[in-house]
Amino acid sequence: DTGVSQNPRHKITKRGQNVTFRCDPISEHNRLYWYRQTLGQGPEFLTYFQNEAQLEKSRLLSDRFSAERPKGSFSTLEIQRTEQGDSAMYLCASSSSRGGPYEQYFGPGTRLTVT
Amino acid sequence: EDQVTQSPEALRLQEGESSSLNCSYTVSGLRGLFWYRQDPGKGPEFLFTLYSAGEEKEKERLKATLTKKESFLHITAPKPEDSATYLCAVQVRHSGAGSYQLTFGKGTKLSVIP
Repeated sequence: DTGVSQNPRHKITKRGQNVTFRCDPISEHNRLYWYRQTLGQGPEFLTYFQNEAQLEKSRLLSDRFSAERPKGSFSTLEIQRTEQGDSAMYLCASSSSRGGPYEQYFGPGTRLTVT
Repeated sequence: EDQVTQSPEALRLQEGESSSLNCSYTVSGLRGLFWYRQDPGKGPEFLFTLYSAGEEKEKERLKATLTKKESFLHITAPKPEDSATYLCAVQVRHSGAGSYQLTFGKGTKLSVIP
């Protein structure tokens, strides 16, 4: 199975610490997305890459958040100086840009708990 | 602002009792409407893409339909293993570089009782 993978699956951190998550997309997909999901809500868009270029960022992505996708392969999402409000499931998805359809395939997510 | 509203928030069905979930949307220009299934603690699993009014897609006991204002997910003779949260999302056309982000509803939590 060559689906989207995310690591770690769970992360518990203390307020004020920095955390970094990794996403490995489906190998032939050149688009990669990050979403955040809190309990009882649908996923909310954070940012989007096409190859290595970060083309779109949500206003939800404060200055404490940064995402990279070096060489257009895996991506990392870093949160600096974590706050309790950052506790959520962080989801990564990937899609192809060649023709349609444009459906996005999601990974299992990283559950972040800030204490 | 693009909006997606799903109803009901929760639905309990007896095994074999067919029903429908609703997704209404208000967007400037629809590129596609997507249905996902999400099990607790897992990422959303892709089910269907619908592109234009009148389109229908089927998979096992599920059938998705699309009009200009809403989409329905029909579940025929559901089984307990169909219990999950069903999410609807839209992708909107924008001028210029374009946008491929999905805007999701809050989901419908479906419980199928044996």
